[in-house]
Amino acid sequence: QSALTQPASVSGSPGQSITISCTGTSSDVGNYDLVSWYQHHPGKAPRVIIYEGTKRPSGVSDRFSGSKSGNTASLTISGLQAEDEADYYCCSYAGSSIFVVFGGGTKVTVL
Amino acid sequence: QVQLVESGGGLVKPGGSLRVSCAASGFTFSKYYMSWIRQAPGKGLEWISYISSSGDAINYADSVKGRFTISRDNAENSLYLQMDSLRAEDTAVYYCARAPRQWLLLNWFDPWGQGTLVTVSS
Repeated sequence: QSALTQPASVSGSPGQSITISCTGTSSDVGNYDLVSWYQHHPGKAPRVIIYEGTKRPSGVSDRFSGSKSGNTASLTISGLQAEDEADYYCCSYAGSSIFVVFGGGTKVTVL
Repeated sequence: QVQLVESGGGLVKPGGSLRVSCAASGFTFSKYYMSWIRQAPGKGLEWISYISSSGDAINYADSVKGRFTISRDNAENSLYLQMDSLRAEDTAVYYCARAPRQWLLLNWFDPWGQGTLVTVSS
């Protein structure tokens, strides 16, 4: 069982917006603004799309955005496109000993 | 371009050992923290170890502490993970991943390799 809880799947039609939640505890998500999100097309290398909660690396579409409320972080994909179909993982800093914890992943399907 | 390529995965019996490697190219390997992250079949990701740029700072997840050893060879631009006393639950795709900034241990990873599959089974 993963330390962070994500829905197993989320789907949407092209052009729609979807949101993926990532629920942790006051020891990880709730205690730090240090959540990152990764997009993973099976068989390929995972790619960071959000870091430090809300920041996008260069080259990542502004259709991806991150937010947080309490112990839950969220990733929103707006203007859903076929190429967004992938698995998405959240990750949170959890202190110097544990370092980081990940979520179980969410499969995004574009209908 | 920046690239990480894992190798060395395979089938190993419970209690056995295996060493996986990660070849880095396209950046100054010696300036970056590196991590190993794994994904068991049907499961989420799990960070298992990091090593500092010089190799003098190392940390492990409790699930592998005492069984796995991370190391690096900066002259060869390579990262290693020696896995001993392997268990069925160590079956996973093992990814190497770089810290996104030179010299700093940050809590996110960029880029990642494509992974190498390690299967522990009799």
